[in-house]
Amino acid sequence: EDQVTQSPEALRLQEGESSSLNCSYTVSGLRGLFWYRQDPGKGPEFLFTLYSAGEEKEKERLKATLTKKESFLHITAPKPEDSATYLCAVPLSGSARQLTFGSGTQLTVLP
Amino acid sequence: SQTIHQWPATLVQPVGSPLSLECTVEGTSNPNLYWYRQAAGRGLQLLFYSVGIGQISSEVPQNLSASRPQDRQFILSSKKLLLSDSGFYLCACQAGGTEAFFGQGTRLTVV
Repeated sequence: EDQVTQSPEALRLQEGESSSLNCSYTVSGLRGLFWYRQDPGKGPEFLFTLYSAGEEKEKERLKATLTKKESFLHITAPKPEDSATYLCAVPLSGSARQLTFGSGTQLTVLP
Repeated sequence: SQTIHQWPATLVQPVGSPLSLECTVEGTSNPNLYWYRQAAGRGLQLLFYSVGIGQISSEVPQNLSASRPQDRQFILSSKKLLLSDSGFYLCACQAGGTEAFFGQGTRLTVV
């Protein structure tokens, strides 16, 4: 069964304290892994797509990496405005049209 | 790039009343369209998706239905709302690539 698991569920960091969020997946024939940022009461905002092991993408203080079984979202020197829930998703094995999402990591960056 | 419009942003409805949530997309044609529901602190649950006008696939048996009367219009409906229908409803669009882009959501509270 296709599954996406994110950890930790919640993470509190001091401003400037770097850390990583984890997304592990079990799916046959990965056709992309997606990271989203979601602010309270808003729809998810697309951040990155990763397609193959070893691939990395960066955007400001965020860097996403991918292995054959998991993806990491590294946050370097975070700021309070990075506080949000971060979601990852993968297409189902049988259909690229359908994404299965993890439950997310709620990140809080304290000033 | 595409823009997804969802309305209303918030809605309070009594049990047993009907529901109609509308989603329209700009900036693309023939997209795949999706309705997701998100419970508090949880990931996104796919409810319906559509690959074209009049084509609806349901992922979860429930009290809701969806329709796609036009290429860039997707409607979520119910004839009689239940308390368990409360949640955050998100419309998403997939066009070209495999990543999905989301609207800003509708917070539905059934009382």
